[in-house]
Amino acid sequence: GENVEQHPSTLSVQEGDSAVIKCTYSDSASNYFPWYKQELGKRPQLIIDIRSNVGEKKDQRIAVTLNKTAKHFSLHITETQPEDSAVYFCAAGGNQGGKLIFGQGTELSVKP
Amino acid sequence: GAVVSQHPSWVICKSGTSVKIECRSLDFQATTMFWYRQFPKQSLMLMATSNEGSKATYEQGVEKDKFLINHASLTLSTLTVTSAHPEDSSFYICSARDSGSASNEQYFGPGTRLTVT
Repeated sequence: GENVEQHPSTLSVQEGDSAVIKCTYSDSASNYFPWYKQELGKRPQLIIDIRSNVGEKKDQRIAVTLNKTAKHFSLHITETQPEDSAVYFCAAGGNQGGKLIFGQGTELSVKP
Repeated sequence: GAVVSQHPSWVICKSGTSVKIECRSLDFQATTMFWYRQFPKQSLMLMATSNEGSKATYEQGVEKDKFLINHASLTLSTLTVTSAHPEDSSFYICSARDSGSASNEQYFGPGTRLTVT
């Protein structure tokens, strides 16, 4: 079945440093790759997404890159701030009625 | 815009009883909604895809007779956990796609925390 692997499971950085989270997916038919930020007890919040016809997308301090051949995509956060601390999830899907398969999550901690 | 609500936000029920959770798209129509379950410190696990006017599509390993899904209108899907057991205690989250948009974006509800005693 479809699978999304996400690494690392935890990431601790100093304020101002960059953070990178990586995901791989198994279903080559996937064409939509969103990233979510989730705070404890809250709903996932979309922070950026990318479609399969694009290799890179940037929104201020956040960027996502996609390598369709290798089935890899990554989230890059620059100039991290303490308020970036949360759990981040990648997901892949878009086909099969638009369903998404989520990665295992990365707990990001930004230390002031 | 693109707001999804869930009701209730939390519920406690006794083992063996059934619980219904509602998911509503407030300002858009959704022919497709999704139900997820999230255990503490774990990821969102897709349970089923809810299709307006037709049967839901369940993911492998999810018991369709235990988790009943009804998507009777373009703005409402319900998940009923039947004969609930303590192991069903979890955070249940729904999401919806805007039928009027070509985007794949899913809009998430705030979640329902179910505790079975």
